[in-house]
Amino acid sequence: ETGVTQSPTHLIKTRGQQVTLRCSSQSGHNTVSWYQQALGQGPQFIFQYYREEENGRGNFPPRFSGLQFPNYSSELNVNALELDDSALYLCASSFGQGQETQYFGPGTRLLVL
Amino acid sequence: AQSVTQLDSQVPVFEEAPVELRCNYSSSVSVYLFWYVQYPNQGLQLLLKYLSGSTLVESINGFEAEFNKSQTSFHLRKPSVHISDTAEYFCAYAVSSGSARQLTFGSGTQLTVLP
Repeated sequence: ETGVTQSPTHLIKTRGQQVTLRCSSQSGHNTVSWYQQALGQGPQFIFQYYREEENGRGNFPPRFSGLQFPNYSSELNVNALELDDSALYLCASSFGQGQETQYFGPGTRLLVL
Repeated sequence: AQSVTQLDSQVPVFEEAPVELRCNYSSSVSVYLFWYVQYPNQGLQLLLKYLSGSTLVESINGFEAEFNKSQTSFHLRKPSVHISDTAEYFCAYAVSSGSARQLTFGSGTQLTVLP
């Protein structure tokens, strides 16, 4: 059974640029959630996708957007990067809408200069 | 407002000593409760969870947590810690109703086990 994978592992961007982060969910899982973890803090919910549709969203601006593909992999896109977007971005997968247990990938560390 | 409070940001403890990491939550609705562990430069690993039933839940590596509804707490305990338990521990909850399960996390507790 393959766990949750994310790419790239590290990324450096400059302010104003755009970035795309990728996530492959655990085998058999059809729900993907994205979280932002700033340094020294707990993760914060960005949004969740279930069967290719957004299924819930946290308190993040519209420049944070996402996609889920038919194979249940997912992308997180961030436009007009700001310095405060520097963080570890975590993807988590689960099976089924409303499933309580989420399994996390290793994360992508984004640095915005 | 719904939130999770981890009362200690850092907990140093000697090897083989007991430890308790405290977690309190605030929610007006029923919740599921979780503890996740994060080792340096890694993602989160599920340690244990409370969904329903017995209020005492255990992990395979000796940790346990007890759900206390009246005190809205879900403290994590281990009777004897090892060096390898050194990590950041996050308490989290998910509201048990609705279709989307978003996890709300505390700010974390860094457990450092000293030799």
